[in-house]
Amino acid sequence: DQQVKQNSPSLSVQEGRISILNCDYTNSMFDYFLWYKKYPAEGPTFLISISSIKDKNEDGRFTVFLNKSAKHLSLHIVPSQPGDSAVYFCAAGGNQFYFGTGTSLTVIP
Amino acid sequence: DGGITQSPKYLFRKEGQNVTLSCEQNLNHDAMYWYRQDPGQGLRLIYYSQIVNDFQKGDIAEGYSVSREKKESFPLTVTSAQKNPTAFYLCASSISAGRYEQYFGPGTRLTVT
Repeated sequence: DQQVKQNSPSLSVQEGRISILNCDYTNSMFDYFLWYKKYPAEGPTFLISISSIKDKNEDGRFTVFLNKSAKHLSLHIVPSQPGDSAVYFCAAGGNQFYFGTGTSLTVIP
Repeated sequence: DGGITQSPKYLFRKEGQNVTLSCEQNLNHDAMYWYRQDPGQGLRLIYYSQIVNDFQKGDIAEGYSVSREKKESFPLTVTSAQKNPTAFYLCASSISAGRYEQYFGPGTRLTVT
């Protein structure tokens, strides 16, 4: 059974607007969370992380929010740019990471 | 430039043959990982290694083998026992095992016919 779920396979957003990518996990023991960006036929690129002792972490245009009680995290990209178009994976765990199935983001110029 | 290299990018094999995928890193990372990605699925952990000469099975280790004789290298062998070997294989490393970001190589697409 999937321990990490990304329920939206795809998302389209206008350039300059906010992109919100969501991720849910099932194991309350997970205490570290990662977001990756991936282009076709390439390896994922690390974007941003958050530990369970925080509820928000920001890095430039990227902000990750963690809601431990809901076992939910989200990645906000503001403002969205065409170069952000890619597949985004979330990962959750601690000693071992479990990855979601990814959300394909398309930023429309 | 520090990073992770995987070779080759594309690999074709006949069913019944073993094949070894290369992974090298010059990041001085202790931990290394092998994942498999199939269409519509997330990355699934095959094996990981926390230090040289040590490795642990991940969730889908059956039909695979690894070695970690050097810190820089973590080759993966896909054996003929692996029932569905065609997939995209990703190698990653992190400074240490556990709560650290993993950095990925470019991947190897293996096709077995």
